[in-house]
Amino acid sequence: DTAVSQTPKYLVTQMGNDKSIKCEQNLGHDTMYWYKQDSKKFLKIMFSYNNKELIINETVPNRFSPKSPDKAHLNLHINSLELGDSAVYFCASTPGDRDAKLFFGSGTQLSVL
Amino acid sequence: DAKTTQPTSMDCAEGRAANLPCNHSTISGNEYVYWYRQIHSQGPQYIIHGLKNNETNEMASLIITEDRKSSTLILPHATLRDTAVYYCIVRHGGGGSEKLVFGKGTKLTVNP
Repeated sequence: DTAVSQTPKYLVTQMGNDKSIKCEQNLGHDTMYWYKQDSKKFLKIMFSYNNKELIINETVPNRFSPKSPDKAHLNLHINSLELGDSAVYFCASTPGDRDAKLFFGSGTQLSVL
Repeated sequence: DAKTTQPTSMDCAEGRAANLPCNHSTISGNEYVYWYRQIHSQGPQYIIHGLKNNETNEMASLIITEDRKSSTLILPHATLRDTAVYYCIVRHGGGGSEKLVFGKGTKLTVNP
C-alpha cells in the first residue's frame, strides 16, 4: 500500500495551459507539503498545509494554488504554465509531531513545452 | 539557505562502511539533525535523525559531535542500492510548521 501517492507520474503540456497534480496520503498525517525539484536537483519547499490550513507559502507565484479538500489530500493547481515550471514536484506528509519525519511521494515530472 | 555543508560526492566499495560527514556549525540548541536520501528518480526517503545523542536504526547510525557542530551518517555495510544523494538537514520549527531545507547533498556512489 502506497503511503503517499501522486498522480500523474508524468505530465507533458503546452505553455499557457492549466494543470493539476493530485496527492493523497493514507497515513493519517495532519500536515502535507509540496516541494519542487528543478533541473539542478535543488529541492525547495513550496507550501505546507496542516489540517487543511495553509501554514507555509514560500513566495510561490500565485499561478500555483494548493487545494486541500481534507487532511488526506493536497492537490496542486497551476495556471498559465510557463517553461520555467518544468520540474519534478513532490508531495510529502508528516504527523506534525515534535520529532516528525516526512514521507514523500514518488514525484510528478512536469514538462512544459 | 541550507544551514549544512556536505561534500559534493563520495565513493565507497560495496560491503564497506560509508561514512558521510556534515557540518552544521550554526545549529541552535533545539534543532535536530535529519538525514534523508534520494535514489535516482524517487522521492526522498527518511533515514534517521538526532538531537544530541548518537542514534542507530535498521538503516544507519548517526554520530553527532559533543558540540553538535558536525555529524556523520554511517551506513555499516553499503550495497549498490545505497547509491543515492544523501541530504543532511537541520530542522526549523515544529508542530506543523516543520520546514526541511534541503541543500545540495552528497552523491554517494557504491562501487562493486
